[in-house]
Amino acid sequence: DIQMTQSPSSLSASVGDRITITCQASQDIRNDLNWYQQKPGKAPELLIYDASNLETGVPSRFSGSASGTYFTFTISSLQPEDIATYYCQQYDNLPLTFGGGTKVDIK
Amino acid sequence: QVQLQQSGPGLVKPSQTLSLICAISGDSVSSNSATWNWIRQSPSRGLEWLGRTYYRSEWFNDFAVSVKGRLTINPDTSKNQFSLQLKSVNPEDTAVYYCVRGQWGNWFVPWGQGTLVTVSS
Repeated sequence: DIQMTQSPSSLSASVGDRITITCQASQDIRNDLNWYQQKPGKAPELLIYDASNLETGVPSRFSGSASGTYFTFTISSLQPEDIATYYCQQYDNLPLTFGGGTKVDIK
Repeated sequence: QVQLQQSGPGLVKPSQTLSLICAISGDSVSSNSATWNWIRQSPSRGLEWLGRTYYRSEWFNDFAVSVKGRLTINPDTSKNQFSLQLKSVNPEDTAVYYCVRGQWGNWFVPWGQGTLVTVSS
């Protein structure tokens, strides 16, 4: 199975801050990586697909990038409504696997 | 707009079978560009993909090794839905279960509302 190592597991930042979450794959997955946002009590929602493509309707402050097996998710200016847990997910190989999640809250 | 509506019991006894249904609106279970997945989430296991069914001129299934042999996923074209059956459940199968469409088989959108299933006597 491909292991997705996500960090940090949690972070606290101020409104307006730029935050970055990383995900490292245990082997080459090309750009076959997605990012999801999950708010408490809700199902995850797709934000970014194919490492860097913004899902329709998702604000442009969210972005993703890739470098080898290392993937980065960025919120350019943190907003109160961004409080959530964020997950990466690879689809290069079965079984489809997720990172452990990053819980983001406001300082 | 594609929507998935889950139904099924929230409490299952150990050794029994967990059964859930996912009704699809706005797409077809026979779509050639989608896969139909079950994913569960628990504090101990995080988000865990369980398996999928999809149609590409014929029906295919894929399953996670952790549940292979216990899990069945069946499409129902007459009702445009798909189901999950997990046999011989134990308390470790306690989780929130989601049905999810795999767009082009690759990214998950949308998700069902989730069903908390507790395995307990």
